[in-house]
Amino acid sequence: GESVGLHLPTLSVQEGDNSIINCAYSNSASDYFIWYKQESGKGPQFIIDIRSNMDKRQGQRVTVLLNKTVKHLSLQIAATQPGDSAVYFCADSRDDKIIFGKGTRLHILP
Amino acid sequence: KAGVTQTPRYLIKTRGQQVTLSCSPISGHRSVSWYQQTPGQGLQFLFEYFSETQRNKGNFPGRFSGRQFSNSRSEMNVSTLELGDSALYLCASSLTWRAEWNTEAFFGQGTRLTVV
Repeated sequence: GESVGLHLPTLSVQEGDNSIINCAYSNSASDYFIWYKQESGKGPQFIIDIRSNMDKRQGQRVTVLLNKTVKHLSLQIAATQPGDSAVYFCADSRDDKIIFGKGTRLHILP
Repeated sequence: KAGVTQTPRYLIKTRGQQVTLSCSPISGHRSVSWYQQTPGQGLQFLFEYFSETQRNKGNFPGRFSGRQFSNSRSEMNVSTLELGDSALYLCASSLTWRAEWNTEAFFGQGTRLTVV
């Protein structure tokens, strides 16, 4: 069945360190993946996406890695800042709809 | 450019009642998707509309319905409300109906529905 999930519900990271948020997916037919960030009281916000013909994509301070062999996706945030505190969702697109994982809450430690 | 607007922001209803939520997409966007967000189930896809047609539907009972108007504004309706329908209902707008064709899926702030 459909399943997109994250390994850890909560992640605490020291300010300035790099954050790595992981995600596993079950459908090998998934060909497009997206990371969203949701801050308290707001809707999800697009961060970065990657297609299955790529294994790495970089944005501003963020990098997404895709390992299709083990069906694993990760989001790396460089030099984590207090404003990065949020819930992060991985999602994949199948059958013209976006399926979200459960989310990981990122806590930034001072 | 105005973002996605959802009204109302908060709503309290009684079991058995029905509710209608509204979503105004970003100007020029023709696709509107609806999601239900709960702590236990996370974000779950309800349905998507494009050019007044429902293009896709998630696994929700028939009590959940929606529609889209010619100006792309969308409404979703939940009839015979149950306690378990308490959730944050989010809508997202985008230019096209194929998610992977366009990465700009913008979400509204949601409507927080509480059923008592």
